[in-house]
Amino acid sequence: QVQLVESGGGVVQPGRSLRLSCAASGFTFSTYLMHWVRQAPGKGLECLAVIYFDENKRYYADSVKGRFSISRDNSKDTLYLQMNSLGVEDTAVYYCARDPGGTYDYWGQGTLVTVSS
Amino acid sequence: DVVMTQSPLSLPVTLGQPASISCRSSQSLVSSDGNTYLNWFQQRPGQSPRRLIYKVSNRDSGVPDRFSGSGSGADFTLKISRVEAEDVAVYYCMQGTHWPWTFGQGTKVDIK
Repeated sequence: QVQLVESGGGVVQPGRSLRLSCAASGFTFSTYLMHWVRQAPGKGLECLAVIYFDENKRYYADSVKGRFSISRDNSKDTLYLQMNSLGVEDTAVYYCARDPGGTYDYWGQGTLVTVSS
Repeated sequence: DVVMTQSPLSLPVTLGQPASISCRSSQSLVSSDGNTYLNWFQQRPGQSPRRLIYKVSNRDSGVPDRFSGSGSGADFTLKISRVEAEDVAVYYCMQGTHWPWTFGQGTKVDIK
C-alpha cells in the first residue's frame, strides 16, 4: 500500500535551517510529481512546492521562494525540503503529498516544525 | 493566486440531516487539458487530510456515497446527504489547475 512518512521536524531557532525528508513506499516514486504542503497550528492548508519526476521542474509558493528548496532522490524513493532562514511564521505541520495530476491522492502523517527562540 | 472562498465556515448539523458547503474560485478552474481540478478533502481532528472528491465529482474509493460533489467553472458544492457522527471534521476545497494550488479556508462541520 502507498505510504509516505515524513521526518526531520523539531524545534529550531529563528534564522536557522532544517531539512525534512519524506520516505515513499508502495508505488513507483519516480513516476509521480511530489509536493510539500504545510498547516500552521489551528490554521488552513498551504501548498509550498512541487517537483517533477526528474527534478527538471520545481515551483514554489511566494511565501517560501528563495528560502526553501524541494528535491528528490528517486534511487532512495525520498523527497526532501531544505528550509533556510526560518521564521516564526514557518511554524507548522509539514506534509508531503503525492500528485497524480491536479490533486493529492495520498498524504503523509506530517512532521511538526516549531521555530522559536 | 487563485482565491478559494468557502461558505459557511462553520456548519452545525443535526444527525441524519443534509449538509452543503459552497466553494467559489476567483477564476475558472477549467484547465487547458479540459479537466477541472477541483478537489474536496476531509480532515478529522489530529489527522492528515483525506481526499473525498477529485475533478469536481469523482468520489474516492471507500468514501461513502452520501458524499457528492458538483459544480463547474468557478462554483462548486460538496453535499452530505445524511450527516453521521464520523463526518465531524473540517472540509477543504482545493484547486489544482493553477500554480500555486490553493485551498479554501475550511468549513468546520459538527453536530448540533
